[in-house]
Amino acid sequence: QKEVEQDPGPLSVPEGAIVSLNCTYSNSAFQYFMWYRQYSRKGPELLMYTYSSGNKEDGRFTAQVDKSSKYISLFIRDSQPSDSATYLCAMSGSNTGKLIFGQGTTLQVKP
Amino acid sequence: GAGVSQSPSNKVTEKGKDVELRCDPISGHTALYWYRQSLGQGLEFLIYFQGNSAPDKSGLPSDRFSAERTGGSVSTLTIQRTQQEDSAVYLCASSLRSYGYTFGSGTRLTVV
Repeated sequence: QKEVEQDPGPLSVPEGAIVSLNCTYSNSAFQYFMWYRQYSRKGPELLMYTYSSGNKEDGRFTAQVDKSSKYISLFIRDSQPSDSATYLCAMSGSNTGKLIFGQGTTLQVKP
Repeated sequence: GAGVSQSPSNKVTEKGKDVELRCDPISGHTALYWYRQSLGQGLEFLIYFQGNSAPDKSGLPSDRFSAERTGGSVSTLTIQRTQQEDSAVYLCASSLRSYGYTFGSGTRLTVV
């Protein structure tokens, strides 16, 4: 079993839809939780990060962490075609910089 | 520079040859990471350098893989006697904190 599980999709939605992306994990030592966005033939870029449990909002993006369930989510409101990309969850413990990534979910937002 | 720079961007090599991949991190970033991304897969951790500490090599898949970081800046990932299963995108990242990596665009390695 992988430390971090993420449904690879692909996920296809119409423009304006609310998108929900999720990851589950098994290591209770994880403290930092991140979402990265990766466009084709580019490196991943940091989208959101959250420390420990809770919610964080940035514009159309909301990240949620539920440590009791070992479950994290990224919500995208009013999705746009420019949001079409692969979204990777990532996490690490408090005493290491090494990030463990999910497999990535490919999202397509159709105009 | 403004971002993490990797070279070459693409590399085609014959099976059995050695290859060197280069990473120029963001100036001042103390941590540097190498990851590998195979088609349709997530990022697989390879190695991590933090300041002057001994690197975390726990992700290197075999002794054909090695990496060094000179002067706390530029890093080189070397793959000896390349195999077809080594074909992947090799990504380098640097950071100041234990989160918030900045990635380069990667080196796409194809072993034929």
